[in-house]
Amino acid sequence: DVKVTQSSRYLVKRTGEKVFLECVQDMDHENMFWYRQDPGLGLRLIYFSYDVKMKEKGDIPEGYSVSREKKERFSLILESASTNQTSMYLCASSRTGSRQGSNQPQHFGDGTRLSIL
Amino acid sequence: AQSVSQHNHHVILSEAASLELGCNYSYGGTVNLFWYVQYPGQHLQLLLKYFSGDPLVKGIKGFEAEFIKSKFSFNLRKPSVQWSDTAEYFCAVNRIGGFQKLVFGTGTRLLVSP
Repeated sequence: DVKVTQSSRYLVKRTGEKVFLECVQDMDHENMFWYRQDPGLGLRLIYFSYDVKMKEKGDIPEGYSVSREKKERFSLILESASTNQTSMYLCASSRTGSRQGSNQPQHFGDGTRLSIL
Repeated sequence: AQSVSQHNHHVILSEAASLELGCNYSYGGTVNLFWYVQYPGQHLQLLLKYFSGDPLVKGIKGFEAEFIKSKFSFNLRKPSVQWSDTAEYFCAVNRIGGFQKLVFGTGTRLLVSP
């Protein structure tokens, strides 16, 4: 069974801090994703990566960056945390399948609930 | 802009009632369609998916969904819900050639009372 592990379930940080959220998957998946989940807004894609050292902006990349130095690990970085980044952050991974990679389901971690004070 | 609409934000049902959750999308091309479920305190799990073929797809736990291309819809159904179906349900869509960039709906919170 696919396991996507996020390093923290709950995290509290202060405004202006640099925050790192870590995600590790154990299924050798090529693709990894970071979303934030907010009530009434569903899941919104922040960044994704389809290979080591490759990254692509999602729908809401402002204020975030990512790093993928190893295939199994994908880090989300809040360069200077702000209160509007308080949210639930979800990491996901998937295999690259046929139909140009679009038909493989994504597997999600348990999420990190981040509070910025 | 590409979008996915889930019109029911909150649904409350009694056990054994039938369920239908609506999902509409705004893409004009060929799409892949997914329903995910998030049980309280758990991670998102895939409920079912449609790529091609029979537009009526069956998923886990007795759920099914029907793809109606002419209506740009992918509604989720279950004939008889159980208390354990209490969860948040998300519809998601991606385009063929759109890599794996899923666009999610805003979710529907289902509460099933015993």
